[in-house]
Amino acid sequence: AQKVTQAQTEISVVEKEDVTLDCVYETRDTTYYLFWYKQPPSGELVFLIRRNSFDEQNEISGRYSWNFQKSTSSFNFTITASQVVDSAVYFCALISGVDTGRRALTFGSGTRLQVQP
Amino acid sequence: EAQVTQNPRYLITVTGKKLTVTCSQNMNHEYMSWYRQDPGLGLRQIYYSMNVEVTDKGDVPEGYKVSRKEKRNFPLILESPSPNQTSLYFCASSLFPGLGSGELFFGEGSRLTVL
Repeated sequence: AQKVTQAQTEISVVEKEDVTLDCVYETRDTTYYLFWYKQPPSGELVFLIRRNSFDEQNEISGRYSWNFQKSTSSFNFTITASQVVDSAVYFCALISGVDTGRRALTFGSGTRLQVQP
Repeated sequence: EAQVTQNPRYLITVTGKKLTVTCSQNMNHEYMSWYRQDPGLGLRQIYYSMNVEVTDKGDVPEGYKVSRKEKRNFPLILESPSPNQTSLYFCASSLFPGLGSGELFFGEGSRLTVL
């Protein structure tokens, strides 16, 4: 069975601080995809990144960076110099195996990030 | 603009009163699906559709129906809503085949309250 654990329920930081959101996943499949989505207070889900299991390169996009480590089954997300607009709920998600065909993402329970001015 | 549109965005209804949440995408995507989001549980898939007239159950299909008569539309039907269906619902679509060919595009969500 697949599982995604986001142990941090809520994080509060002050603007300009760096913050890392943790994501640990479980799957028996060797081929899988990992995702991060952002859900701002308005409620929509915004796609941030997709990573497949064969690509362990870390990725940086502006103030966002992702650290994918298969050895620890983790796909952590770091925001550098956080801003108030980063305040949102962030979801990590996984898709693998038979679920790939039906696009059934397994989502973590989300981490609520509050960035104080 | 490429988008997935859901209606209504907010709805309060009573137990047993049939309702339909519509979903429409303008990206010519073959694949569409419905998720529900509940506190502490993340999002869970309700139903999905690989193409027109092809639908199948997700992880939590009980109490829901769907139909896919046209490629762009994928309505979610609650025949007899109950309070445990109070939730935030998301419609999603993507290209097919191969998840690597594109991400899931989500609608803005429909917040449903069943009294």
